[in-house]
Amino acid sequence: ETGVTQSPTHLIKTRGQQVTLRCSSQSGHNTVSWYQQALGQGPQFIFQYYREEENGRGNFPPRFSGLQFPNYSSELNVNALELDDSALYLCASSLAHGETQYFGPGTRLLVL
Amino acid sequence: EDQVTQSPEALRLQEGESSSLNCSYTVSGLRGLFWYRQDPGKGPEFLFTLYSAGEEKEKERLKATLTKKESFLHITAPKPEDSATYLCAVRVLTGGGNKLTFGTGTQLKVEL
Repeated sequence: ETGVTQSPTHLIKTRGQQVTLRCSSQSGHNTVSWYQQALGQGPQFIFQYYREEENGRGNFPPRFSGLQFPNYSSELNVNALELDDSALYLCASSLAHGETQYFGPGTRLLVL
Repeated sequence: EDQVTQSPEALRLQEGESSSLNCSYTVSGLRGLFWYRQDPGKGPEFLFTLYSAGEEKEKERLKATLTKKESFLHITAPKPEDSATYLCAVRVLTGGGNKLTFGTGTQLKVEL
């Protein structure tokens, strides 16, 4: 059974650019959640997708957007990057929106 | 607002020296308390889910317990490979979907 995978592993961008991060959910999981983890902090909920629909959103501005595809993989898009967007971005998948979330290895984003 | 507080922030133990990590929470309508382990630069690894006061779960040297206001992660006779950051999270049934609210973690270092 393949776990949650994310790409790329690391990324460097400059302020104002746009970035797309990708996540493949664990086999059989139909729900994907995205989190942002700043250094020394716990993960912060960005949003969740359940069967291709957004199913909840945290306190993040609209320049953070996402998609979920029919195979339940997902993308996180961030426009107009700011220095504070530098963080580890984590994707988690679950069997359904009420079940245990299993995390991928994350994408480390550095904004210069 | 839902709050999760973990203590201590950091803990240094000698191999074999048992101890406990604390997670206190203030939420409306708890729908599960989760413990994760996170190694540096990696995604959180699921350990336990607890749903009701009095519930206990065990895995190797780890035991998690839950009361109405807090959870403890007991580590018995730890080994150096138990060194990691331990994250506590709560799931609350709100309009924000199935989001997890995390604490900032306890960084555990086990020395020989």
